[in-house]
Amino acid sequence: DIQMTQSPSSLSAFVGDRVTITCQASQGINVFLNWYQVKPGKAPKLLIYDASILEAGVPSRFSGSRSGTDFNFTITSLQPEDIATYSCQQYKSLPLTFGGGTKVEI
Amino acid sequence: QVQLQESGPGLVKPSETLSLTCSVSGGSVNTYDYYWSWIRQPPGKGLEWIGYVRYDGNTRYNPSLQSRLTISIDTSINQFSLRLGSVTTADTAVYYCARERRRLSGWNGKDYWGQGTLVTVST
Repeated sequence: DIQMTQSPSSLSAFVGDRVTITCQASQGINVFLNWYQVKPGKAPKLLIYDASILEAGVPSRFSGSRSGTDFNFTITSLQPEDIATYSCQQYKSLPLTFGGGTKVEI
Repeated sequence: QVQLQESGPGLVKPSETLSLTCSVSGGSVNTYDYYWSWIRQPPGKGLEWIGYVRYDGNTRYNPSLQSRLTISIDTSINQFSLRLGSVTTADTAVYYCARERRRLSGWNGKDYWGQGTLVTVST
């Protein structure tokens, strides 16, 4: 199985701050990475696919990038509605695997 | 707008079978373009992929659950289902159903999800 190591597990930032979350894959996954936003009691939301492509309708303050097996997810200006847990997920091979999640607080 | 909704018992006894159904509206499950997936999140832990079913009934499962797992689809009523046998307290989790986009190289992302349903395994 491909292991996804996500960090940090939680962070606290101010409104307007730039926030970056990292996922490292245990082996090469090309660009086959999603980022999801999960809020309690709500349907999780796909934000990014293919490591850096923004899903339709997702605000442009969200972005993703890749460097080898390291992947970054950035919120350029944190908003109150961005309070959530963010998770990466690889789809290079089965079983599909997720990172441990990052809880973002204000 | 595609919507998915999980339903099923919120409490299951140890050693029994957990059964959930996902009802899909606003789109058909009988399509080549998507996989119909189950994912879960135990309390305080990350998301775990359980498996998926295709429109034709073809399935792929997480090997860690495969021996206890059945995912099926009923295109006539636009639903797909999960059955997990011999449950233990470790199976306590929020269970989500989701639509996974299909593409030539495999998969592309789960673009629609249900809100999730908490299933507790306890006596």
